[in-house]
Amino acid sequence: GAGVSQSPRYKVAKRGQDVALRCDPISGHVSLFWYQQALGQGPEFLTYFQNEAQLDKSGLPSDRFFAERPEGSVSTLKIQRTQQEDSAVYLCASSPARFPGDTDTQYFGPGTRLTVL
Amino acid sequence: EDKVVQSPLSLVVHEGDTVTLNCSYEVTNFRSLLWYKQEKKAPTFLFMLTSSGIEKKSGRLSSILDKKELFSILNITATQTGDSAVYLCAVRKGGSRLTFGEGTQLTVNP
Repeated sequence: GAGVSQSPRYKVAKRGQDVALRCDPISGHVSLFWYQQALGQGPEFLTYFQNEAQLDKSGLPSDRFFAERPEGSVSTLKIQRTQQEDSAVYLCASSPARFPGDTDTQYFGPGTRLTVL
Repeated sequence: EDKVVQSPLSLVVHEGDTVTLNCSYEVTNFRSLLWYKQEKKAPTFLFMLTSSGIEKKSGRLSSILDKKELFSILNITATQTGDSAVYLCAVRKGGSRLTFGEGTQLTVNP
């Protein structure tokens, strides 16, 4: 596709609900990243995939957060038992980088704004 | 702990002014520094800098990196209202993740 797409664009969840956020990277991009952006802050790294392999998940804030990319293209970020502090914009980015440390630019999607009531 | 600090955090100028946004960093195993512009949607890529002293330019925007003093600046000349956005600086280390600063909120008034 022309760019990274994410769905839904907005999600409101009641505290305790599970949510699933989807990312469609740019076609052919090997690397995929998830970031969390709180209001008024810069994005913070959550996790990184190289094809279907999750190479770095050190930024996931708790075991309620889980990400997958089973076929090496679309990725889903799942948050279980959502809490109010999970409210943020979740950004997905993709890159053609073929190995960790490759200096290719990351291209971002529009994000999913999650509000937990 | 890795740090990326941007200043100022917010800036209000008039159309036609020139602005300089600053980004300083402390990271181990530095690879590159990137600038993004974020309006109310996806951050859009502006520049990637890997070498000191080489200015990158795109229209009215330019940026340069100083790897000795560990900072970068983003210049915007002849600002327009469409330049109003949050400008994000990010540093890439030896792995693949980006570490972002808080951003500078730029407002350009007519």
